[in-house]
Amino acid sequence: ETGVTQSPTHLIKTRGQQVTLRCSSQSGHNTVSWYQQALGQGPQFIFQYYREEENGRGNFPPRFSGLQFPNYSSELNVNALELDDSALYLCASSAGLGGTYEQYFGPGTRLTVT
Amino acid sequence: QQQVKQSPQSLIVQKGGISIINCAYENTAFDYFPWYQQFPGKGPALLIAIRPDVSEKKEGRFTISFNKSAKQFSLHIMDSQPGDSATYFCAARRSSGSARQLTFGSGTQLTVLP
Repeated sequence: ETGVTQSPTHLIKTRGQQVTLRCSSQSGHNTVSWYQQALGQGPQFIFQYYREEENGRGNFPPRFSGLQFPNYSSELNVNALELDDSALYLCASSAGLGGTYEQYFGPGTRLTVT
Repeated sequence: QQQVKQSPQSLIVQKGGISIINCAYENTAFDYFPWYQQFPGKGPALLIAIRPDVSEKKEGRFTISFNKSAKQFSLHIMDSQPGDSATYFCAARRSSGSARQLTFGSGTQLTVLP
């Protein structure tokens, strides 16, 4: 088990609603990345935060937004939920941006949009 | 655009057999290639990783073979066990640039029969 925790474990929302997912990074890690994993597919990169600043973004619309706090925990916010947003949302933390730093994943939050 | 292609989609092997999963990448800027193992309801767990300056890396029953000229890499699981039954993802990442996110393959569901 990694030291990365996510909450909640499961969530059911209605189309058009907003949702906030939370991630606590492993101790000593200052970088958090968020990924979306649709059923039967590999994780897709949403964005990354390094020392409270967004450090890159994947091909996701602006209604996906995030935040990183001084303790390096992070939030993922999704506005105007769509049915296709139903997925497992994963966060991964690492000790830095350098090429030698491994990313360790949390257990994920399963979001269902009805 | 899918930058990491993974095959096969599913694989069934007998206990004690060898499991082989293949991946090919397109972006020559990738210089870090990890493999992740994911059990149902869990986040991906780092299994083994390789950098392109070596052609092979072995850790226990798991071996990565890397062919830089062909832009291909593969995971070999020797003496496969029923406990290895999981979904395996290859991934690739750049070590420099803004966001050093992982680009994942589509996954291989491995079933090891007892």
